[in-house]
Amino acid sequence: DIVMTQSQLSLPVTPGEPASISCRSSQSLLDRNGDNYLDWYLQKPGQSPQLLIYLGSYRASGVPDRFSGSGSGTDFTLKISRVEAEDVGVYYCMQGLQVPLTFGGGTKVEIK
Amino acid sequence: QVQLVQSGTEVKRPGASVKVSCKASGYSFIGYYIHWVRQAPGQGLEWMGQINPNSGGTNYAQKFQGRVTMTRDTSISTAYLDLSSLTSDDTAVYYCTRRSARPSISGYYFDLWGRGTLVTVSS
Repeated sequence: DIVMTQSQLSLPVTPGEPASISCRSSQSLLDRNGDNYLDWYLQKPGQSPQLLIYLGSYRASGVPDRFSGSGSGTDFTLKISRVEAEDVGVYYCMQGLQVPLTFGGGTKVEIK
Repeated sequence: QVQLVQSGTEVKRPGASVKVSCKASGYSFIGYYIHWVRQAPGQGLEWMGQINPNSGGTNYAQKFQGRVTMTRDTSISTAYLDLSSLTSDDTAVYYCTRRSARPSISGYYFDLWGRGTLVTVSS
């Protein structure tokens, strides 16, 4: 199984400032067609997870452009250019390269 | 309206089974796999498995093999999760979500989630 690691359990952020969340996979998520099968999800308090980023860097429909995804192979980053209060919650990375699909442990973003 | 509507809260005794339903609407049910993801209290997300609503074919996480059964009824666009031999460790919110069949098909991500079904296992 592919192990997904998010080293930051918690990330205190200041509104208006940038934030960065990292994710590492135990094997490359880069497929032969050049796509990285890495998604990012945000679970706001009391809600179901919601899709932010897919294929490593593609923003899902309706996701504000302050969110961006980058990385390739085994190292990935989710960046928020300017954090807003509504961005609090737990961020999960997930690999979609092979079953079993696996999630990182999550990074909780909270306002300082 | 495109949505996945899940059945309500369940309370079960240890050793019992639970069946959770997930009704799809607003899109072609057979066009997307249904996946089940669970979340224990205060914990992260855990993938349990997937079902192809078209063929009924399934893939289960090794952890749940022998205890989990995923089925579907295409006539009512509903997927089901059956989990048996429940223990307190199975207390969790169970989510259904959809994803296209494979990366080459548009929609290979979890873009639609149910609201979750809380299953509590307690004596």
